[in-house]
Amino acid sequence: DSGVTQTPKHLITATGQRVTLRCSPRSGDLSVYWYQQSLDQGLQFLIQYYNGEERAKGNILERFSAQQFPDLHSELNLSSLELGDSALYFCASSPMGLPYNEQFFGPGTRLTVL
Amino acid sequence: DQQVKQNSPSLSVQEGRISILNCDYTNSMFDYFLWYKKYPAEGPTFLISISSIKDKNEDGRFTVFLNKSAKHLSLHIVPSQPGDSAVYFCAASALTLGNQFYFGTGTSLTVIP
Repeated sequence: DSGVTQTPKHLITATGQRVTLRCSPRSGDLSVYWYQQSLDQGLQFLIQYYNGEERAKGNILERFSAQQFPDLHSELNLSSLELGDSALYFCASSPMGLPYNEQFFGPGTRLTVL
Repeated sequence: DQQVKQNSPSLSVQEGRISILNCDYTNSMFDYFLWYKKYPAEGPTFLISISSIKDKNEDGRFTVFLNKSAKHLSLHIVPSQPGDSAVYFCAASALTLGNQFYFGTGTSLTVIP
């Protein structure tokens, strides 16, 4: 158990809908990362937050947004969902969010868009 | 553009033998490399890392080798055990590139008892 929790574990929805994925980092970790893993793909970095502020942005679509709250939990919002958004979404946390910090991953949320 | 590549999607090895997983990268700015291991229905877990100032780092049965001139790293597992069967991802980062980690597509290792 990495100490990172993600809810829900599975989510099935329809095209055009909006969903929110939730992540609670390890106790004491200030930084949260979001990743998308599509079929046969590696982990694609989406976005990073550190202590409530956006710190780095990767290949995140404009239909997607995220935030980190004062209690350090984070939410990833996906809107106008398309079939291609079906994927595993992982959240990871690290103490200071530096490139040399090990990241601790949650178990992921599997999103299926029908 | 995939900056970190794992060209072997799968690998099978007999128990007790050496497993060698390979990873290539294209960006010479990367100066920190990590290997993660992932079991089904779980998130990736950190295995071992190496800084670009080193060419080898060892932790028990796991050794990572870095060849900067070839932009290549490899993970050696000796001896391989059935519990090592998992998907292995390599990742790279650099302070100069911001806080983003770049992951490969993974290699699925099967250790045959």
